[in-house]
Amino acid sequence: GAGVSQSPRYKVAKRGQDVALRCDPISGHVSLFWYQQALGQGPEFLTYFQNEAQLDKSGLPSDRFFAERPEGSVSTLKIQRTQQEDSAVYLCASSPRLAGGRETQYFGPGTRLLVL
Amino acid sequence: AQTVTQSQPEMSVQEAETVTLSCTYDTSESNYYLFWYKQPPSRQMILVIRQEAYKQQNATENRFSVNFQKAAKSFSLKISDSQLGDTAMYFCAFRPDANAGGTSYGKLTFGQGTILTVHP
Repeated sequence: GAGVSQSPRYKVAKRGQDVALRCDPISGHVSLFWYQQALGQGPEFLTYFQNEAQLDKSGLPSDRFFAERPEGSVSTLKIQRTQQEDSAVYLCASSPRLAGGRETQYFGPGTRLLVL
Repeated sequence: AQTVTQSQPEMSVQEAETVTLSCTYDTSESNYYLFWYKQPPSRQMILVIRQEAYKQQNATENRFSVNFQKAAKSFSLKISDSQLGDTAMYFCAFRPDANAGGTSYGKLTFGQGTILTVHP
């Protein structure tokens, strides 16, 4: 079946511009995560959804970052007034059930954001 | 808070040889899971192997095996019979057992990664 997909794959934004990054998880997956991966670093947690409920947003770096998953499937990560430090790859991951235990997280290919 | 440390930024190995990637972690959790993920240049992260902390037996998946030392908080990955397709960035990751309570919700904490290059 289809894996996790993300769009766009690449995004160039001017500083101050708003951007929206989309994640299509594997169909039926309950849990959805967003991670931010700076160049040459490991991914860092941003936020977690269980169906449509955003249960953890402790990793969002500022109030310019906003995520939603209104119908419990597709999720959008929005960054307002982008800054150069927002340049990174944004990864989405989903898992079939509640995100505990042995659950595997399936990752998408990521969106590479470059803020000029 | 958990931390994961990979002290080898880059490693290289000849095809068909064995290589070991190191990982240490720090946590106060008693129940947790450890993972090795592979991220090829195409950037799709793929799970390589998983270890439950409550299991003493080291996990193995074909050519991949781990050496899990719980007391030392060490979790190394051994790749046997290395293949060209193993060339990638490898991440060690930690996850508390969300079923044990708390609010971690299964988020992964990653190390900085090790770039592995397999030479023909």
